[in-house]
Amino acid sequence: QSVLTQPPSASGTPGQRVAISCSGSSSTTGGNTVNWYQRVPGMAPRLVIYSNNRRPSGVPDRFSGSKSGTTASLAISPLQSEDEADYYCSAWHDDLDGPVFGGGTKLIVL
Amino acid sequence: QVQLQESGPRLVRPSQILSLTCSVSGGSVSSGRYYWSWIRQPVGGGLEYFGRLSTRGSTNYSPYFKSRATISADTSRNQFSLDLRSVTAADSAVYFCARYTLDFGKSDMFDYWGPGIQVIVSS
Repeated sequence: QSVLTQPPSASGTPGQRVAISCSGSSSTTGGNTVNWYQRVPGMAPRLVIYSNNRRPSGVPDRFSGSKSGTTASLAISPLQSEDEADYYCSAWHDDLDGPVFGGGTKLIVL
Repeated sequence: QVQLQESGPRLVRPSQILSLTCSVSGGSVSSGRYYWSWIRQPVGGGLEYFGRLSTRGSTNYSPYFKSRATISADTSRNQFSLDLRSVTAADSAVYFCARYTLDFGKSDMFDYWGPGIQVIVSS
């Protein structure tokens, strides 16, 4: 069972806005920054958001991140068909001296 | 551009040692600025972190794998490796190597990943 909690699935149509949540505790998301990774089956995971709301070079500005308290969110707007993938959040765990992940959210573009 | 590539056996027998190697190009495992990590994804499961290695001397493991995993580096070949002992079918997964950028107390991220290698544990 994953330490960070994500909804198992999310969906939207092209052009819509979709948001995925990631919930943790004071030892994880509450006190540390959150990252988001995109995983397309058969391909390497890709960092799309780091430090809660920063985008690595090359990631479209359709991707944005936010955090409030112990819950972080990844938003994609406008949604495109190529955004269909699994998305994972991660955060440092103070007690484990290392990062932990969410269980992943399967994003379906209808 | 940093690139990583996993290699190793695709089939491992139960109770044996799973040994994987990650070859790094476009960057050096000897760089003290970064850590080098292994992560896996079991079938139908989420991402699981094994630990991180710095060739400056420190290696840190997830408590879930500390008793069974060893991460080491071969700086002459610009590679790092994972040995996982006493494997069972539950260790069947896609295994990834990644570069881990860690600024203690500030931020951390896996910024470069390999494509992954599917490993099956079966007799």
